[in-house]
Amino acid sequence: AQSVTQLGSHVSVSEGALVLLRCNYSSSVPPYLFWYVQYPNQGLQLLLKYTTGATLVKGINGFEAEFKKSETSFHLTKPSAHMSDAAEYFCAVIMNRDDKIIFGKGTRLHILP
Amino acid sequence: DVKVTQSSRYLVKRTGEKVFLECVQDMDHENMFWYRQDPGLGLRLIYFSYDVKMKEKGDIPEGYSVSREKKERFSLILESASTNQTSMYLCASSPQGENQPQHFGDGTRLSIL
Repeated sequence: AQSVTQLGSHVSVSEGALVLLRCNYSSSVPPYLFWYVQYPNQGLQLLLKYTTGATLVKGINGFEAEFKKSETSFHLTKPSAHMSDAAEYFCAVIMNRDDKIIFGKGTRLHILP
Repeated sequence: DVKVTQSSRYLVKRTGEKVFLECVQDMDHENMFWYRQDPGLGLRLIYFSYDVKMKEKGDIPEGYSVSREKKERFSLILESASTNQTSMYLCASSPQGENQPQHFGDGTRLSIL
């Protein structure tokens, strides 16, 4: 079965430190990949997406993600965490060329002062 | 910018009531979706629609129904609300096309007493 796995339901990093949120997927064909962010009491907002072309994708708020086909991964990174980055992050994929998105269970990012 | 509007941010209803959650999008998107979000379970797809008067069951349709009489509006109906339907409900829309991200509303936090 197709799936999306986010390693770690909670991740804590210090302000100014590197943010790394992990996402792996299972698919026999190259998928379309997305990262969403959800701030408290809000809906999900698209951070970035990979469809085709360059495997390193830059998104909003200084985040970027790299599609690694050999590792079936799409990890999200940011060089320097800011307090405003505290939120829940969802990795999502569209596979098999249909319109349904499969979401990971989410990773809550905590920023330590 | 795409705007997806959910009619209520917070709603409190009683067991057995019929509950309507409304969602409107202003970008002429063909696809609309209803999810529920619960801690530790991520987003789970309830129903979706590819066009007016069309609906498809998602992963957890039991206890719910939907209505799409107009392209911009997608309603979720709890026929007889139960306490296990207390949750955050998220509506989303997307244009047709296999790599299109979904745009989300701010959610409705529904409590069933």
